[in-house]
Amino acid sequence: KAGVTQTPRYLIKTRGQQVTLSCSPISGHRSVSWYQQTPGQGLQFLFEYFSETQRNKGNFPGRFSGRQFSNSRSEMNVSTLELGDSALYLCASSPTLGGTSYEQYFGPGTRLTVT
Amino acid sequence: AQKVTQAQTEISVVEKEDVTLDCVYETRDTTYYLFWYKQPPSGELVFLIRRNSFDEQNEISGRYSWNFQKSTSSFNFTITASQVVDSAVYFCALNTGANSKLTFGKGITLSVRP
Repeated sequence: KAGVTQTPRYLIKTRGQQVTLSCSPISGHRSVSWYQQTPGQGLQFLFEYFSETQRNKGNFPGRFSGRQFSNSRSEMNVSTLELGDSALYLCASSPTLGGTSYEQYFGPGTRLTVT
Repeated sequence: AQKVTQAQTEISVVEKEDVTLDCVYETRDTTYYLFWYKQPPSGELVFLIRRNSFDEQNEISGRYSWNFQKSTSSFNFTITASQVVDSAVYFCALNTGANSKLTFGKGITLSVRP
């Protein structure tokens, strides 16, 4: 079974631009979550989608948004990029929305550099 | 609110030494799930284990073992006879089951020297 895939793997953008990152979950998984990892703040939860609906959102500004498609693939968008948005963005998929059988598997991440 | 504390930031050991990575968590929920992930230099978080709050049985998987103690809110991870390939950042994480959100600790950088 293929794992979680994320594209692109690396990205360089300029302040003020916007960026879209893509995540394809493991086949059969319906929940996709996004995390931002920075040296200073560590791993922080951005948001979670299940059945095309945002179910939970972390403490990030409105410049960060996402969506999920009917095939469970997800995209996240960051508008008006700031230097502080430079980070590793990780996507994770799970078959369920929490619960006793919950396990979450991560993709390789997208390394975003904002200059 | 949930919180995970990994007080150790960096650990360096010589190959074949045993090493224990500490994790302390805080939550008011009675049902929760604890995880350990490994992050090698490639960046991908590799799932190692999940433990439910209602199952305090310790677990052993090869050279890896986990000690879960609700009385001290700890979920410690021991690597026996460490190897250079164990060098990575290790994260402890907490989920309360209502959704998929994981609350992570800051991570422990483990360096295993030959």
